[in-house]
Amino acid sequence: NAGVTQTPKFQVLKTGQSMTLQCAQDMNHEYMSWYRQDPGMGLRLIHYSVGAGITDQGEVPNGYNVSRSTTEDFPLRLLSAAPSQTSVYFCASSYAAGQRTGNTIYFGEGSWLTVV
Amino acid sequence: KQEVTQIPAALSVPEGENLVLNCSFTDSAIYNLQWFRQDPGKGLTSLLLIQSSQREQTSGRLNASLDKSSGRSTLYIAASQPGDSATYLCAVMVGGKLIFGQGTELSVKP
Repeated sequence: NAGVTQTPKFQVLKTGQSMTLQCAQDMNHEYMSWYRQDPGMGLRLIHYSVGAGITDQGEVPNGYNVSRSTTEDFPLRLLSAAPSQTSVYFCASSYAAGQRTGNTIYFGEGSWLTVV
Repeated sequence: KQEVTQIPAALSVPEGENLVLNCSFTDSAIYNLQWFRQDPGKGLTSLLLIQSSQREQTSGRLNASLDKSSGRSTLYIAASQPGDSATYLCAVMVGGKLIFGQGTELSVKP
């Protein structure tokens, strides 16, 4: 049981490039989400998914795209990287969210992204 | 819009002290509240989860309380140790979204 796995751990991109941050969980969790963490801003929700085929926007979705074709995977795509997207990105998952309470959320180790 | 605030932003205490971290939120319509620990360069680890119908949760030296009516939660750490040094974050779950405070950076000196 690996938990929540994020790749890559570190990445440097040039402005305008695109890339995908991978997130996978092996706990059969329905709920998955992506956050970015910036100094002085805390963690902010980018996108989330309550199940395969269902995604929704969080607080800061612009410039990012997600899809959920399987229960296990929830990739985050940067369409055209900008320096403002330099951040640490965290993926998280739980059994469910909202309607069924009492579910611990598990986080990945993070992906450090620098856009130059 | 739900906002979560944590006070203080940083705290330094000598080993052995009991301490309290504070978290406040503006909208009481939450599903649950969680406290997390984050070590430098690492992800977040869930410490305690309090459901909206509960008043408190305990795990070892940690005790978290929840008062929805006043929009407050506290994390009590008993007999602090240097290994407790980390950033502690609280977060509320609202409609499928987890909203975080900015955290309290705790340093426990030997």
